Formats: sequence, C-alpha cells, structure tokens
Amino acid sequence: DTGVSQDPRHKITKRGQNVTFRCDPISEHNRLYWYRQTLGQGPEFLTYFQNEAQLEKSRLLSDRFSAERPKGSFSTLEIQRTEQGDSAMYLCASTGGRETQYFGPGTRLLVL
Amino acid sequence: QKEVEQNSGPLSVPEGAIASLNCTYSDRVSQSFFWYRQYSGKSPELIMSIYSNGDKEDGRFTAQLNKASQYVSLLIRDSQPSDSATYLCAENSGGSNYKLTFGKGTLLTVNP
Repeated sequence: DTGVSQDPRHKITKRGQNVTFRCDPISEHNRLYWYRQTLGQGPEFLTYFQNEAQLEKSRLLSDRFSAERPKGSFSTLEIQRTEQGDSAMYLCASTGGRETQYFGPGTRLLVL
Repeated sequence: QKEVEQNSGPLSVPEGAIASLNCTYSDRVSQSFFWYRQYSGKSPELIMSIYSNGDKEDGRFTAQLNKASQYVSLLIRDSQPSDSATYLCAENSGGSNYKLTFGKGTLLTVNP
C-alpha cells in the first residue's frame, strides 16, 4: 500500500453514462497525476496537478474528460458520455516534489 | 514523439537465474528513469529509480543506465517465482512537471 487511494476500484457502466473517479494522494504530496492504461500497454499520461492548479493536459484528454483538485487535496476525474473505448484502468499517482511517483490501486472501468 | 521501447516478451527464466530486462528511449535530454513492477490486474509498484550513468543496486535488483546509448536495464538476481510480473520502464519526459512516459512493459515468467 503506497498511501494513495482510489475509489471506486471497479466501475461498470453503460455507454453514454457519466462516471466520476476519486483519488486521495499521500497527504503531504503536492503533485498529482492521472494516467490511463489499456491492456498490453504501459500507462499513458492524462493530466497533472500541482496543488489545486491543473498544469498540463494530454491530447488524450478529450472534451468529455474533466479533472479537478479542489483545495489541492483529493482529485476527481469525470468522464461524460462514456464510450466503449474509454474502458481502461485509470491510475492516480502522487509525488511530493521529488520525481518518484507512487501509484494508487487504480479504478478499472468497463463500458458496455 | 518521445518513446520508450521494451521487448514485450515473454521472458522466461528458471528460478535462481538472472533475469535481464532492457529498455531504450528516444529523448536524449531525459534525466530520470524508473522501473515499476506490475502484477496482473494490479497497479504499478516502484522498484528502482536511476538518474546517473552506471549501476545502482538495491537487494536483488540492479539498474544500469547508459545515457550515451540511451539504454537502461534491470537485472534481477536469484529470480523467484514471485518476481513473475510485467516490468515497466519509464522516463521523466516532461521536464519540471515530472510526468512519466512508459514503455509497454516486458512480461517476465520465473519457472520453479
């Protein structure tokens, strides 16, 4: 257990529905990252927060995706109008200013 | 497009042998490299980080970095069946935001 928690751990939804995932980083970590991992691939960067500021978003993050980190603590990732191609493991990682990132257990999303 | 290349495997070694995992990267300015272990259905777990040319040892694991050849490797001595997993190589390709670019991973199987 790295100290990074994610909720829910699994989510099954129907195409077109909205889903929201939560990440609680290690408490003293000011940097938080979201990645997406599909089968047979390494994690791909989605977005990054330093404290409450979202400083970078990947081109992978379409308009249907939005992420927030109010007050610089936990973060949420919302996917609107889900598509089958959104099925993946969504991973959250945090770091406290050093480069080493610690990952949470992930949220596995299945869109039917 | 910054890339990290790994042989997808599977790499199969007998118990007690040395497993050698390799990774090449395209971005000459990359400074930091990481090896993560990922068991099936789980999230990545940090094994080693390496920043300088040469070897870095931690228990049964040794990471090797050669920036001139843009090559990083991981050696696992006295391999155990519990080492069977996918090993992900990652680089810090985002400058000060520390975002990681991952390879696809190498599947290692250690046979009893």
